[in-house]
Amino acid sequence: KAGVTQTPRYLIKTRGQQVTLSCSPISGHRSVSWYQQTPGQGLQFLFEYFSETQRNKGNFPGRFSGRQFSNSRSEMNVSTLELGDSALYLCASSLQVGQGGDTQYFGPGTRLTVL
Amino acid sequence: AQSVAQPEDQVNVAEGNPLTVKCTYSVSGNPYLFWYVQYPNRGLQFLLKYITGDNLVKGSYGFEAEFNKSQTSFHLKKPSALVSDSALYFCAVRDRSGNTGKLIFGQGTTLQVKP
Repeated sequence: KAGVTQTPRYLIKTRGQQVTLSCSPISGHRSVSWYQQTPGQGLQFLFEYFSETQRNKGNFPGRFSGRQFSNSRSEMNVSTLELGDSALYLCASSLQVGQGGDTQYFGPGTRLTVL
Repeated sequence: AQSVAQPEDQVNVAEGNPLTVKCTYSVSGNPYLFWYVQYPNRGLQFLLKYITGDNLVKGSYGFEAEFNKSQTSFHLKKPSALVSDSALYFCAVRDRSGNTGKLIFGQGTTLQVKP
């Protein structure tokens, strides 16, 4: 079975621009979560989607948004980019939403650099 | 508030020696506990998890972890370290009471195995 895929793998943007990152979950997985990884803050939860609905949201400004499509693929968008948004953005998929200790499987990430 | 602590930024061990990467957590009730490993420029790879039952959990690549409720710990162990085990290790917790897949991660521990 193919793993979680994320595109693009690398992005370079300038301040004020916006960016869209894409995630395709493992086949059959219906839940997608997004995390931000930075050297200073570590791994932080952004949001979680299940059946095209946002189920949970982390403590990030409204510039960070996401959505999930009917085929479970997900996108996240960051508008008005700031230097501090430079990070590795990780997508994870699971069968359901946190049920029975459901395991999240991570993609390789998208490395975003904001100049 | 839920939290995870990995008290050691780095653990150094000689190849062939046993290794331990420490993790303690703070969460109300009984959590789900996970260990992930991250190699350079890669996403997180699932190693093992504790849901319920036997306190000793066995996972991938010869790793195991022991759940200790009284000490609120979930230390990762391996009887004989390999150079290829050198990587960044993350402990994570999920609240059992909420219907969410959200993971809260520790800051990570770099494992360095020397030949």
